[in-house]
Amino acid sequence: GAVVSQHPSRVICKSGTSVKIECRSLDFQATTMFWYRQFPKQSLMLMATSNEGSKATYEQGVEKDKFLINHASLTLSTLTVTSAHPEDSSFYICSASGGRGGNTEAFFGQGTRLTVV
Amino acid sequence: AQSVTQPDIHITVSEGASLELRCNYSYGATPYLFWYVQSPGQGLQLLLKYFSGDTLVQGIKGFEAEFKRSQSSFNLRKPSVHWSDAAEYFCAVGAGGFQKLVFGTGTRLLVSP
Repeated sequence: GAVVSQHPSRVICKSGTSVKIECRSLDFQATTMFWYRQFPKQSLMLMATSNEGSKATYEQGVEKDKFLINHASLTLSTLTVTSAHPEDSSFYICSASGGRGGNTEAFFGQGTRLTVV
Repeated sequence: AQSVTQPDIHITVSEGASLELRCNYSYGATPYLFWYVQSPGQGLQLLLKYFSGDTLVQGIKGFEAEFKRSQSSFNLRKPSVHWSDAAEYFCAVGAGGFQKLVFGTGTRLLVSP
């Protein structure tokens, strides 16, 4: 399968600062990227979907001003957690798809564990 | 709205024994169903998927799953578990193929010698 690289794998930041997480498709062009969040012992929850060239679509209850998503190119999407607080500590994982259709497989990155202290 | 339940948080299986991981879903229409595996420090890897057709789906690494509409289930099976199968397994349902997946809480598989 295709390779999706997520960076960093772990990050610790101070409360009130912002942190950026990168998601790169290494060997294919990612038309669509997805960002998920996973709380301990809970499901992965879809936060937003971004299509290259358009604004991200956020799921209900996800603050778009808090979680800024930029699908900068066909190989890179970034998630910026702004003014992070301890409750933002979580596991964030992206996936990338080479098409907009539902039958196009989305490949996952290895995830980023964010700890806000 | 769709949802997925994986009732087993942990399962321990002896190496060489058979495995079944349970997954129940809730979705009004014909679901798109998936099983993913996640090893520590790695991303999710697709094991298999069901979109339509034959309800018994074969996947990678010797896994298979059976879609049972009457039971709203999509259980994952493997006839003989290997130590390398120890990982976290996620069942997911998609409203439109791979788009907007809804995941279960995962089942951690431990393999004993």
